[in-house]
Amino acid sequence: EVKLVESGGGLVQPGGSLRLSCATSGFTFSDFYMEWVRQPPGKRLEWIAASRNKANDYTTEYSASVKGRFIVSRDTSQSILYLQMNALRAEDTAIYYCARDAPLWAMDYWGQGTSVTVSS
Amino acid sequence: DIVMTQSPTFLAVTASKKVTISCTASESLYSSKHKVHYLAWYQKKPEQSPKLLIYGASNRYIGVPDRFTGSGSGTDFTLTISSVQVEDLTHYYCAQFYSYPLTFGAGTKLELK
Repeated sequence: EVKLVESGGGLVQPGGSLRLSCATSGFTFSDFYMEWVRQPPGKRLEWIAASRNKANDYTTEYSASVKGRFIVSRDTSQSILYLQMNALRAEDTAIYYCARDAPLWAMDYWGQGTSVTVSS
Repeated sequence: DIVMTQSPTFLAVTASKKVTISCTASESLYSSKHKVHYLAWYQKKPEQSPKLLIYGASNRYIGVPDRFTGSGSGTDFTLTISSVQVEDLTHYYCAQFYSYPLTFGAGTKLELK
């Protein structure tokens, strides 16, 4: 059974840092692209970061809103996806989801989400 | 960036009626290499993660009821619910997977009339 479980969310002050984790199981982690998607309160879903698969050297992509502040990485030995978030802003407040990007050209499995609140 | 324009924003519906949600991309989502449109539809309920309904514009995902149908080509796509059930009254989003940055529509909220 495919599972994705996020953790690491919480309350952080503006300018602070947080690292989110996405523990995965039930599939070969290195074979799949992985994505981070967030949803601010009352707003649309927003894609923010991607980690390509091993065949594509785990290269990364970022949205303009987080580029230079967030870093996506993997621990392939433990099948964990990370999102290091630095220089956090109030507008980063959201539910953060990790998702598996299937060869269906869609994200098929999603975690339950972890809440990040940036506030003083 | 590919802009996804979704309409309507809100839709008041009666149970068992047919519903149509539209999504227009700012450029074609068709891959001639893979012969597929990189367009997906998601259902999002409060406090839950998004659920994949349709991929490749018209392919129903595993376990999705057959009252959900995706159609369209090029830049114009549609999600149709043939007979809306009470459990369908929530938010729907289209999303393009043609190129990074991946982008979502603004969403459509189905409400009970």
